[in-house]
Amino acid sequence: DTGVSQDPRHKITKRGQNVTFRCDPISEHNRLYWYRQTLGQGPEFLTYFQNEAQLEKSRLLSDRFSAERPKGSFSTLEIQRTEQGDSAMYLCASREGEREGRTDTQYFGPGTRLTVL
Amino acid sequence: AQSVTQLGSHVSVSEGALVLLRCNYSSSVPPYLFWYVQYPNQGLQLLLKYTSAATLVKGINGFEAEFKKSETSFHLTKPSAHMSDAAEYFCAVSVRGGSEKLVFGKGTKLTVNP
Repeated sequence: DTGVSQDPRHKITKRGQNVTFRCDPISEHNRLYWYRQTLGQGPEFLTYFQNEAQLEKSRLLSDRFSAERPKGSFSTLEIQRTEQGDSAMYLCASREGEREGRTDTQYFGPGTRLTVL
Repeated sequence: AQSVTQLGSHVSVSEGALVLLRCNYSSSVPPYLFWYVQYPNQGLQLLLKYTSAATLVKGINGFEAEFKKSETSFHLTKPSAHMSDAAEYFCAVSVRGGSEKLVFGKGTKLTVNP
């Protein structure tokens, strides 16, 4: 496995612009998660996909945020009309489907650091 | 709902000293518990996890943690700190079923002094 990859690693944008991040999970991992981490805090859950279906969204995910996983492989997270409060590290994680009686590890990517000026 | 409290946002130890990072959880159902480590500008790496098997869990880099249901705790320990252990450590909880999303504590930054 090559691990979870995210692109870009850093993004600087001006307030009001749209940005899109990409996450490539470990191959054959059917579960994919997005988290947001602000300075001095732990990661907070944003949304969850099982294959191509988006099955859970946090209340943190305002209507300016949208996530997709069109073919059940890579995922994109788009933020429209960015605000300074969107500045954070956006982390993606993937894991295998559950095996009987066990939970599997979420493997995290390196993150995309967004700075909104 | 699940939650995690990490006591102490900063912990400083000398090289070779015991490392103890505290984590208390709240969960209405049997939890899964995790410790992750994060180095600057990097993602999170799993140190160890508790999934209702042995209560004493051994992880990578010499770390271990003990699940204590009566105390709702899952403290992380390492007998002898190395300089390379300096990082931020996050405790997380999830429950079986549904998304099994992770709920993280606020983290503890570990400093190791020479």
